[in-house]
Amino acid sequence: QVQLVQSGAEVKKPGASVKVSCKASGYTFTGYYMHWVRQAPGQGLEWMGWINPNSGGTNYAQKFQGRVTMTRDTSISTAYMELSRLRSDDTAVYYCARGNSGYDKYYYYYYYMDVWGKGTTVTVSS
Amino acid sequence: QSVLTQPPSVSAAPGQKVTISCSGSSSNIGNNYVSWYQQLPGTAPKLLIYENNKRPSGIPDRFSGSKSGTSATLGITGLQTGDEADYYCGTWDSSLSAGRGYVFGTGTKVTVL
Repeated sequence: QVQLVQSGAEVKKPGASVKVSCKASGYTFTGYYMHWVRQAPGQGLEWMGWINPNSGGTNYAQKFQGRVTMTRDTSISTAYMELSRLRSDDTAVYYCARGNSGYDKYYYYYYYMDVWGKGTTVTVSS
Repeated sequence: QSVLTQPPSVSAAPGQKVTISCSGSSSNIGNNYVSWYQQLPGTAPKLLIYENNKRPSGIPDRFSGSKSGTSATLGITGLQTGDEADYYCGTWDSSLSAGRGYVFGTGTKVTVL
């Protein structure tokens, strides 16, 4: 079955970096974008960006540009999200999610995430 | 501060119907397809609706989606206690000023009375 398995919880100090992994199985890894979404405690969902596992191309949310790096290792069907210069407000659950995207004849885009990992809790505390 | 606005909460008795609105603009909902996600307490989000009104395999037809102009709506009929969750709309935002990217709604908590 299609699944995304994420790495375990992390505790980091302010200013440090964290790297979260997401291992895909049950489908062709390079055939779908991988999105990263985070959710701070008691808050809503926040999109961080995506990586195209086939080309390695990325698209980061403006808010995270300069601090986030998304990479992949196609040999082990794994995507990574690294966030640097951590602050206390980066404390959140980080999800990877398989993305589907395209556009119709009117160039209306469709983007949606159909398979999600269980999430990785990242706590930033001194 | 999401660009997609949803009501914070809606509620109804078991068996009744609820609707959740998602209001955006021409740079997002007005010119792109909308998806909806359900997040049960303590779990990851789950895709409920994609491309405005399509249901993934396994999603009951009690859940429906629609779009008109710059707003979208999720409907849930025959409400069940298991439907108590947070619901989010999402779509692509093509605005250069906002930084092109995917945006989620503010989220709506559904309570079954």
